[in-house]
Amino acid sequence: TQLLEQSPQFLSIQEGENLTVYCNSSSVFSSLQWYRQEPGEGPVLLVTVVTGGEVKKLKRLTFQFGDARKDSSLHITAAQPGDTGLYLCAGFSGGYNKLIFGAGTRLAVHP
Amino acid sequence: EAGVTQFPSHSVIEKGQTVTLRCDPISGHDNLYWYRRVMGKEIKFLLHFVKESKQDESGMPNNRFLAERTGGTYSTLKVQPAELEDSGVYFCASRGIGDYGYTFGSGTRLTVV
Repeated sequence: TQLLEQSPQFLSIQEGENLTVYCNSSSVFSSLQWYRQEPGEGPVLLVTVVTGGEVKKLKRLTFQFGDARKDSSLHITAAQPGDTGLYLCAGFSGGYNKLIFGAGTRLAVHP
Repeated sequence: EAGVTQFPSHSVIEKGQTVTLRCDPISGHDNLYWYRRVMGKEIKFLLHFVKESKQDESGMPNNRFLAERTGGTYSTLKVQPAELEDSGVYFCASRGIGDYGYTFGSGTRLTVV
């Protein structure tokens, strides 16, 4: 069974700080996605990484896919209260038809 | 473009009753998925439709769950009879051919008491 472990589970920081969220597995994934979810809403796709070693940037968010495609990280620079939410990593083992989700990292950014 | 719409947003039913959840995907999206998060656990795959055909229902917990997709448009997920452990948030998502990303609905929070 493929599993994705996210760490930390919870993160409470002050506005302006930097943070990194990790997503690790012992299995290889063909691609990996990061989602953000807010209360009462469904997950919203932030990024898809496909190639081992790939780095993608989305404004203050930097996503990296591990060389072996078993892990990924999300780095947020100068966090803002609007970044507060649940961040989920999810991987595909083949094709794009069955996502395996991590349990999520709940981020709170305080003004 | 309208997003993925799920009805109802919340449902509270008694153990043994029947509940039907509905999902309207983005128009033109052939792929439709159901996922579920039970309390304290990660979101898990239930099943996948391509148009009206079930492609993969390996995540369906048991035969109390029945999913249909009429004419390849909207989908329903029926739980009959509901048990306490069926409580959770049920998400529907759709994806167009050639797209990487899913668009999720807001979910249906099901509580079985």
